[in-house]
Amino acid sequence: AQKITQTQPGMFVQEKEAVTLDCTYDTSDPSYGLFWYKQPSSGEMIFLIYQGSYDQQNATEGRYSLNFQKARKSANLVISASQLGDSAMYFCAMREDPGTSYGKLTFGQGTILTVHP
Amino acid sequence: NAGVTQTPKFQVLKTGQSMTLQCAQDMNHNSMYWYRQDPGMGLRLIYYSASEGTTDKGEVPNGYNVSRLNKREFSLRLESAAPSQTSVYFCASSDTRQSVSRRFEKLFFGSGTQLSVL
Repeated sequence: AQKITQTQPGMFVQEKEAVTLDCTYDTSDPSYGLFWYKQPSSGEMIFLIYQGSYDQQNATEGRYSLNFQKARKSANLVISASQLGDSAMYFCAMREDPGTSYGKLTFGQGTILTVHP
Repeated sequence: NAGVTQTPKFQVLKTGQSMTLQCAQDMNHNSMYWYRQDPGMGLRLIYYSASEGTTDKGEVPNGYNVSRLNKREFSLRLESAAPSQTSVYFCASSDTRQSVSRRFEKLFFGSGTQLSVL
């Protein structure tokens, strides 16, 4: 079974509008972390935002916010005031109980976001 | 700030050839990782090293070997390359400091190596 599901292969948004990228996850571990990464066409992976399973507040980082609904196992990324430079592939990822390593992430398939002027 | 440096950036191999992908980080991170990214898929963990002197298999380790040479360097070796190993390879490192908020858990990625096996 997929641990991370991103159901939107592609999304389009008008510049300056807000957009929500969906992510659902599957884990039985009570301790986990959820990440969003951006991959522009140049290929590098850029960390955007992190949400811990025990965090009381939804994470926010500038124009990025994470709509964390624990009971529904969803961790949607909201980008406000979209910019042309937001056009990229976006990956949702999960870290389960870290054990010996914090960086063992499971990634979703990604969503390609295109921002139109 | 160099961060995570991978070499080479591009490589073409013939089936059966061997090669080593090099990775170094200058952030004094304990943990290092090798991921691969195939078209239409997210990244998948090949191997990781939680700390200097240790390595463990990830989700897709077959056909690869790794060496944690020291705290800075973590190499990935393909002993006998196959077309199925055509992919983009990313090295990453992470800071495993314990902190109250456990905020310092993000991965820092290298710029990737595009490998084609013909």
